Amino acid sequence: EVGVTQSPATLSVSPGERATLSCRASQSVSSKLAWYQQKPGQAPRLLIYGASTRATGLPARFSGSGSGTEFTLTISSLQSEDFAVYYCQQYSNWPLTFGGGTKVEIK
Amino acid sequence: EVQLVETGGGLIQPGGSLRLSCAASGFTVSSNYMSWVRQAPGKGLEWVSLVSSGGNTYYAESVRGRFTISRDTSENTLYLQMNSLRADDTAVYYCATDRGLLIFSDWGQGTLITVSS
Repeated sequence: EVGVTQSPATLSVSPGERATLSCRASQSVSSKLAWYQQKPGQAPRLLIYGASTRATGLPARFSGSGSGTEFTLTISSLQSEDFAVYYCQQYSNWPLTFGGGTKVEIK
Repeated sequence: EVQLVETGGGLIQPGGSLRLSCAASGFTVSSNYMSWVRQAPGKGLEWVSLVSSGGNTYYAESVRGRFTISRDTSENTLYLQMNSLRADDTAVYYCATDRGLLIFSDWGQGTLITVSS
């Protein structure tokens, strides 16, 4: 099983600032890495797939990068609606696995 | 517009069985990859099972042999038959879909399963 580790567990950021979230896979997943956003009481929402491809309608302030085992989700200027929990997911190997999540909270 | 609506959740005793349904609209279930993903209270996401457009099925180790994923083309509905339920199966169960990348591009609202005596 490919382990997926996210850091930090919690990120405190002021509105308008940049947020950088990390995701590490225990073995190479090539570019088969997706990111999701989840707000309280809601289902997750796909943000990024293929490590860097934005989902339809996603604002350009969200960007993904990386390949192999190291990945990053960057939110260039945090808006109030971006405070949420973010998960990464690898889809290179069975079973499909998620990271433990990073909570982005208001500083 | 893609819509997924899960039903069938509730309180069930350990060892019991339950079947979840996910009614789909806006697309054809049999043409997409369909998954179940769960989230225990206050915890992260865990993929549970997937059925491919070709009908191949896949399971997480934690549910293999106890859960069965299936679909009904005529009803355009995805199912998850859950047997031998345990306390650690307690979670919100989401159905999710994608066209074949093994990602989850559309999600239902989720249904809560509580396994407790």
